[in-house]
Amino acid sequence: GAGVSQSPSNKVTEKGKDVELRCDPISGHTALYWYRQSLGQGLEFLIYFQGNSAPDKSGLPSDRFSAERTGGSVSTLTIQRTQQEDSAVYLCASSVRVRDAEAFFGQGTRLTVV
Amino acid sequence: GIQVEQSPPDLILQEGANSTLRCNFSDSVNNLQWFHQNPWGQLINLFYIPSGTKQNGRLSATTVATERYSLLYISSSQTTDSGVYFCAVNAGNNRKLIWGLGTSLAVNP
Repeated sequence: GAGVSQSPSNKVTEKGKDVELRCDPISGHTALYWYRQSLGQGLEFLIYFQGNSAPDKSGLPSDRFSAERTGGSVSTLTIQRTQQEDSAVYLCASSVRVRDAEAFFGQGTRLTVV
Repeated sequence: GIQVEQSPPDLILQEGANSTLRCNFSDSVNNLQWFHQNPWGQLINLFYIPSGTKQNGRLSATTVATERYSLLYISSSQTTDSGVYFCAVNAGNNRKLIWGLGTSLAVNP
């Protein structure tokens, strides 16, 4: 596609439920990143992919968070047993390569855990 | 790790005014980007500028890598320029972007 696409745009879920967030990167971009942004804050790194591999998972807040990428394209971020502190905007970005390349962001998924 | 500081944290302008936003970073960088986050939360790429000067319409940016800072200039500001401006860098073998806390800009008509 023309840009990074994320779905859903908004998600309201009950505490304790699992959620899946999807990211469709720019075609041909090998690097894919997940960040999250809490209200009024800067962006917090979660994980990045080079192809289908995730060399750096250091930003995942807990073992309730996982992510995968298939076919070097679409990525899914899964949050199990959601908690209220998981409420945030989850942003996905992609770039043509991992190093020294401009990153382009999707519109984000606003997650609200009630 | 590398630290990114942006100033000022908040800025209010009258439409038509000019402004300069600053980003300081604590170590050498491979990559520096300026983003505008609009009121709907979308991050819009402004500049990819690890060094040198670039211009795009009313916006321009300069990064002086040896002195570890970057400046974003906004001329003849418009109400649509309102939002938060972020500077983000990566350095060394670190693949993730490190973000400043942003400058929140409000342009009044």
